[in-house]
Amino acid sequence: QKEVEQNSGPLSVPEGAIASLNCTYSDRGSQSFFWYRQYSGKSPELIMSIYSNGDKEDGRFTAQLNKASQYVSLLIRDSQPSDSATYLCAVRSEGSSYKLIFGSGTRLLVRP
Amino acid sequence: DGGITQSPKYLFRKEGQNVTLSCEQNLNHDAMYWYRQDPGQGLRLIYYSQIVNDFQKGDIAEGYSVSREKKESFPLTVTSAQKNPTAFYLCASQSTGGIYEQYFGPGTRLTVT
Repeated sequence: QKEVEQNSGPLSVPEGAIASLNCTYSDRGSQSFFWYRQYSGKSPELIMSIYSNGDKEDGRFTAQLNKASQYVSLLIRDSQPSDSATYLCAVRSEGSSYKLIFGSGTRLLVRP
Repeated sequence: DGGITQSPKYLFRKEGQNVTLSCEQNLNHDAMYWYRQDPGQGLRLIYYSQIVNDFQKGDIAEGYSVSREKKESFPLTVTSAQKNPTAFYLCASQSTGGIYEQYFGPGTRLTVT
């Protein structure tokens, strides 16, 4: 059973701080990794995708991938109250270009 | 304006009734998906379709049925055989060339009493 694990939280950080969200996965053959943001009552929104080891930056967001340790993380710099949401990690395995496996999400609260 | 539309946004049904949820996309994506989300849980795959007239069961297909007669449309029927149908249903689509990113529609919240 391929699994994606996330701490459910809530992760509480003050406004302006760096929020660090982590995700581990069980399938070593995983090739593609995605972070989605989901506000309460809304659908998930894709915010980052990463395919190679290392860091990928997009504005205030940085995704970090370490395939040897089988973890992927999302850093949010200068956190804002509007970043308060649930962040879902999703993983695509090798040979499965059509299916994603989702973690259950980490709830982030940014305190003003 | 490209995107994925789902209708209705909220749906209420009595137990024992079948109900069909609509999903349409104009992104020219080949693959489409249906997920179910329960409170505090991640997304679980119900059905997916890679091309027109073909679809595969996901992890929780029992009690659900789909069709894919057009590239743009992938309706989901929740049958009376589904034991716990009350949930948030999400449709997604994905390009099959290169990046394979999935994008979601706004969702349909189904309540069965």
